[in-house]
Amino acid sequence: QAVVTQEPSLTVSPGGTVTLTCGSSTGAVTSGHYPYWFQQKPGQAPRTLIYDTTNKHPWTPARFSGSLLGGKAALTLSGAQPEDEAEYYCFLSYGDPWVFGGGTKLTVL
Amino acid sequence: QVQLQESGPGLVKPSQTLSLACSVSGGSFSSGNYYWSWIRQPAGKGLEWIGRIYTSGSTNYNPSFKSRVTISVDTSKNHFSLKLSSVTAADTAVYYCVRTGAGGGYWGQGTLVTVSS
Repeated sequence: QAVVTQEPSLTVSPGGTVTLTCGSSTGAVTSGHYPYWFQQKPGQAPRTLIYDTTNKHPWTPARFSGSLLGGKAALTLSGAQPEDEAEYYCFLSYGDPWVFGGGTKLTVL
Repeated sequence: QVQLQESGPGLVKPSQTLSLACSVSGGSFSSGNYYWSWIRQPAGKGLEWIGRIYTSGSTNYNPSFKSRVTISVDTSKNHFSLKLSSVTAADTAVYYCVRTGAGGGYWGQGTLVTVSS
């Protein structure tokens, strides 16, 4: 089974920009993996920020964007806010199965 | 807007079968290109995909669970279900139902299932 890799932790300053990445052990991540990005705060269910690489939900703050970068899926946060401190998970489709990354703990400090 | 809500016993004995249901409102199983998944999260750990059922009724399961898991859908009741057999303490987790596919990802609130005698 494929392994999906994320940075275990990242720190960003308030107002700063940070990019989280999502890599695959099988090679480059493409749009055909339909990357999703989820945000989870302590004690809450995850919520979807980005789906199918770049698409946003109505509740996704404009400061979040999704892309493919250097063979990985990427989630960029531009203008970090204190409320963005959370765990972020990516999710890739390999047809069968689907695989989650281990998550990135993002600290806004 | 689509809403999902998990339900089922919060306590299951070892070796028994865990059974959960996910009720869906604001959307229909019989229309659209959607995948209906079960995902779990042990306390303090990451997310794990268990399996999915497509609108057509076809299923795919995580190989880690394949011999123990069944996901089914009841379109007349607008809900889908998870059965996980021969549970152990390692199956203690928050279980989420999720819709993905056209239009993005929608999560239920999750339900804690504890496996203990």
